[in-house]
Amino acid sequence: NAGVTQTPKFQVLKTGQSMTLQCAQDMNHEYMSWYRQDPGMGLRLIHYSVGAGITDQGEVPNGYNVSRSTTEDFPLRLLSAAPSQTSVYFCASSYSDYNEQFFGPGTRLTVL
Amino acid sequence: QQPVQSPQAVILREGEDAVINCSSSKALYSVHWYRQKHGEAPVFLMILLKGGEQKGHEKISASFNEKKQQSSLYLTASQLSYSGTYFCGTEQNFGNEKLTFGTGTRLTIIP
Repeated sequence: NAGVTQTPKFQVLKTGQSMTLQCAQDMNHEYMSWYRQDPGMGLRLIHYSVGAGITDQGEVPNGYNVSRSTTEDFPLRLLSAAPSQTSVYFCASSYSDYNEQFFGPGTRLTVL
Repeated sequence: QQPVQSPQAVILREGEDAVINCSSSKALYSVHWYRQKHGEAPVFLMILLKGGEQKGHEKISASFNEKKQQSSLYLTASQLSYSGTYFCGTEQNFGNEKLTFGTGTRLTIIP
């Protein structure tokens, strides 16, 4: 089991560029989520999904899109990168919302 | 609404005990505890569900007072490996599906 994988590990973007952060899990978890972590702010929920074809917004969804076409994959798209999106992004999955969440290793994104 | 954690940081000597608190202004269904070491992903410790259940994990245990919307994490006889940042995550309703994390408590254990 690879668990939760994220690519890339590091990324530098220029303001206005778009990109997709990849997240995949091989545990057949229905619940997947994206968080961003900024110093002193903890983990903030961006978007989440309770199953293939179902997504919903978290606390800080603006500037991000998600889709869930398969159980395994949950990509996060930055439409037009801004310096305020400089952060560490974590993807997580779990069997359900009240079970242990397994986190990926994170993607460190810098927007110049 | 983001739960409030206290203290924000604490330094202990190996073998000392620590308590980390997590409180919310909203009624809670569950409280989740995670530990994150520097440069790594958060790792699950335990979940407490509505009902005041206390749980334990080696020398780490937690309680959940649903009337006060508070949870406390207890670290007994702390070890160097306990160093890291501890986060509580709260869920307001069953099936709410949104976990809201606090800003974390940085715990440093020194020999």
